[in-house]
Amino acid sequence: QKEVEQNSGPLSVPEGAIASLNCTYSDRGSQSFFWYRQYSGKSPELIMSIYSNGDKEDGRFTAQLNKASQYVSLLIRDSQPSDSATYLCAVNVSQGGSEKLVFGKGTKLTVNP
Amino acid sequence: NAGVMQNPRHLVRRRGQEARLRCSPMKGHSHVYWYRQLPEEGLKFMVYLQKENIIDESGMPKERFSAEFPKEGPSILRIQQVVRGDSAAYFCASSQTYRGGEQYFGPGTRLTVT
Repeated sequence: QKEVEQNSGPLSVPEGAIASLNCTYSDRGSQSFFWYRQYSGKSPELIMSIYSNGDKEDGRFTAQLNKASQYVSLLIRDSQPSDSATYLCAVNVSQGGSEKLVFGKGTKLTVNP
Repeated sequence: NAGVMQNPRHLVRRRGQEARLRCSPMKGHSHVYWYRQLPEEGLKFMVYLQKENIIDESGMPKERFSAEFPKEGPSILRIQQVVRGDSAAYFCASSQTYRGGEQYFGPGTRLTVT
């Protein structure tokens, strides 16, 4: 059973701070990793994808991947109240000609004005 | 540049009825995935389809659930004889490529079984 673990939170940060979200996964063969943002009652929205070890930056978001440690993280700089949402870590698992995303349960982030 | 489309957005069914959920992938995407999100739970994979082919249905309950993606038209997730435990949000996602491609989600169908 391939698993993805996230701190369930909730995580609360003040406006302007850095929010740090973490995720570990069990499938050593996984090569593709994603962060989705999900507002309450809405669908997941892809915000970052990362495939190689190291950092990937996109605006206020930085994804970090360490395959040896099976660890993925997301940093949100200059957090805004509009960043308040649940953040889902997803790992692509390939098996027997198929592939699918395995999701963590999500970390609920609240950014306080 | 339309995204993934799903309909209906909300569906209410009585126990024992059938539910049909439809999904049209993004333009240029040929890979379709269905996920289910139960209240207060994470997203769970159900089925992966390409045109006219079910690639992986390992996440789908063996009874009452079926999926298809015909040559023409949207992908359909069908739930027969619905029970209260089927109440959930059902999301469709599509991707352009096999092998770890980014998946983009539709708005979902929220099924309520009364």
